[in-house]
Formats: sequence, structure tokens, C-alpha cells
Amino acid sequence: ETGVTQTPRHLVMGMTNKKSLKCEQHLGHNAMYWYKQSAKKPLELMFVYSLEERVENNSVPSRFSPECPNSSHLFLHLHTLQPEDSALYLCASSHAGGSVHYGYTFGSGTRLTVV
Amino acid sequence: RKEVEQDPGPFNVPEGATVAFNCTYSNSASQSFFWYRQDCRKEPKLLMSVYSSGNEDGRFTAQLNRASQYISLLIRDSKLSDSATYLCVVTRVKELVFGTGTRLLVSP
Repeated sequence: ETGVTQTPRHLVMGMTNKKSLKCEQHLGHNAMYWYKQSAKKPLELMFVYSLEERVENNSVPSRFSPECPNSSHLFLHLHTLQPEDSALYLCASSHAGGSVHYGYTFGSGTRLTVV
Repeated sequence: RKEVEQDPGPFNVPEGATVAFNCTYSNSASQSFFWYRQDCRKEPKLLMSVYSSGNEDGRFTAQLNRASQYISLLIRDSKLSDSATYLCVVTRVKELVFGTGTRLLVSP
């Protein structure tokens, strides 16, 4: 099993659909993240689950809903998306806590197209 | 002002050249610093952490200047396989903040 696994790799959905992105990490990390990457923009943090605490970027629309049932699994539920939501969605995990940050390990991402 | 600023490039260099990227950050409270590499349509991958004393990993050397709040990455003897986007990353409390990246193209 690779470190961080994301499914699906590609997703095309209509604006009225409901879909979910899945992420699983096998690294023993205790924090997981959702990032959005649009063309020519920096990675945008959407949600963090760290040490059983959820932190969210207040600018993320409510049509994106995260779920983290345990420290190894993370979902992003999508509903009534807009074309501007088309982007690469990246899951990451890390070890949280302590004074030193060791960086994130990213999954391979889901390339989402909203039509 | 962006929290992390990078020259987007592209930097076009021939094989064997030495190339340097700089990055500035605005949050003086940032404690950890990294360079990530991202290939086209792939996920970012950690290239190296950046320590106050500077650190080297093979052909790659990273430097941190806390007083001026900038980070650099030097690549010696460039290879074709070094062509990618290099992301400068700093911490904001416990989260990572990414720059938009600098694109490097190494040509034969």
C-alpha cells in the first residue's frame, strides 16, 4: 500500500450530482488535510483534521463537506458544485504535535471536472 | 501581500547549469520551511526541509535567512529530470502555506 491513497483519480460530475472523494493513509499520521489546487494559484487549504479537532477555511463553500471517521480515512462530500470548482483536490497527512513539523505526504489527487 | 512569494518563472536552463530560486515569506512566526517538487499533473512531493544552518542533499542546497525572511534553493549540475515546479512552503502555526511555485525547464 502506498502512503496516501486517493480515489477516484478522475471525476466528471454534473452540477446536480452528489459524489464523494476518498482518502486513506497508511503512515500512522494523526492529521489529515484537504487542499484545492487550481491553475496558476497556490494550494488552498480547505479542511484540517488534527488530533480529533476539525479546522476549516471559512471561505470554503458549504457544498463541500468533509468527514473523518478515524485517523486513517478522510472523505470530501460534494453536492451541487459549480464549474469553478473544477480543480485538482489533494489529500495530505502528517504527524501533528510537537515543535517540529516534518511536512505533508500527499495523495496523487482527484482531478475534478464539473460540467 | 502574499504570505509566500515566488518568481513563477519559467527558468530555462541547459543541462549541467546551476540554477537558484528564491522565496520570501511574510509571517515572521513561521518555524519550519520546506521545498516541494511538483511534476505536471502530479501531487507535490517533499524535496527537502530547510534548516537555519543551511542543508545540502546531493546536488540540492537549501538556505534560510530568518532576518530577511527568505529561503533559497540551489540546484547544481541540472538534469533533464529536474524539470518541474518547485514550491516554497512555510508553516503557519501547525499548517503549511504554499507558494505558487517556480517552474524549471532543463533542456538538452
